[in-house]
Amino acid sequence: ETGVTQTPRHLVMGMTNKKSLKCEQHLGHNAMYWYKQSAKKPLELMFVYSLEERVENNSVPSRFSPECPNSSHLFLHLHTLQPEDSALYLCASSQDYGLGELFFGEGSRLTVL
Amino acid sequence: AQTVTQSQPEMSVQEAETVTLSCTYDTSENNYYLFWYKQPPSRQMILVIRQEAYKQQNATENRFSVNFQKAAKSFSLKISDSQLGDTAMYFCAFIPNNDMRFGAGTRLTVKP
Repeated sequence: ETGVTQTPRHLVMGMTNKKSLKCEQHLGHNAMYWYKQSAKKPLELMFVYSLEERVENNSVPSRFSPECPNSSHLFLHLHTLQPEDSALYLCASSQDYGLGELFFGEGSRLTVL
Repeated sequence: AQTVTQSQPEMSVQEAETVTLSCTYDTSENNYYLFWYKQPPSRQMILVIRQEAYKQQNATENRFSVNFQKAAKSFSLKISDSQLGDTAMYFCAFIPNNDMRFGAGTRLTVKP
C-alpha cells in the first residue's frame, strides 16, 4: 500500500504521440515533485509544486509539461518526445517544500520509440 | 555545486555480514538534511534513515546506522546482519537548500 500512486506503470509511445503521466498522493502533503531516473545517473529533479504553485523548473525541455490541478494530483504531459527521454519517471511528495523526506511512487517506465 | 557522490556502483555482502556504503557530498550550507533511500527491484523508493546536519549523534534505525562526518562531508551507511531483503539500489541524498539532491546509487546484493 503506497501513499503515492502513479499511473500508468509502463508506457510505450512514438515520438509524435501525446500522453500523460498521473500521480496522486493520499498523504495530505503540500509539495509534489517529478524526477527522472536514468540508469547509472543521479535522479534529476524536473518540477516542483508547492501548494499548487510551480516553484522549480530545472531547464526541462518544453516537450514536458507539468500540471497540478490540486494538492493531491500531479500530471506530466508528454508530446513529441525523443528516444533519450526513455526513463523511469518518479513522482514524490513531501509535507512541505524543502523540509524532510520525500515519499515516492513506484514510477512510470517510459519508452519512446 | 551541491552534489552527492557514491563511489561504489556495486557491492555485495554475505547474508548476516556487515557492509558499509560510502557517500560524500559538497555544499557550502551549514544546515541541511541527509538521507539514505532504498529502491528494491519493485522500484518504489523508501526512506531508510535520515540525519540532521546540526546533530552530532549518528542516526540509527534497527540494523541501519550512519557515520556522519560533517567536516569531511561524509555520510556512510552501515547495514548490520545483512538480510536477503536488503538487496536493492541505495541512494544517498541531501537537502542543502530546498531541493533534494541524489547520488547515482550503489547496487547492493546480499548473497545467501
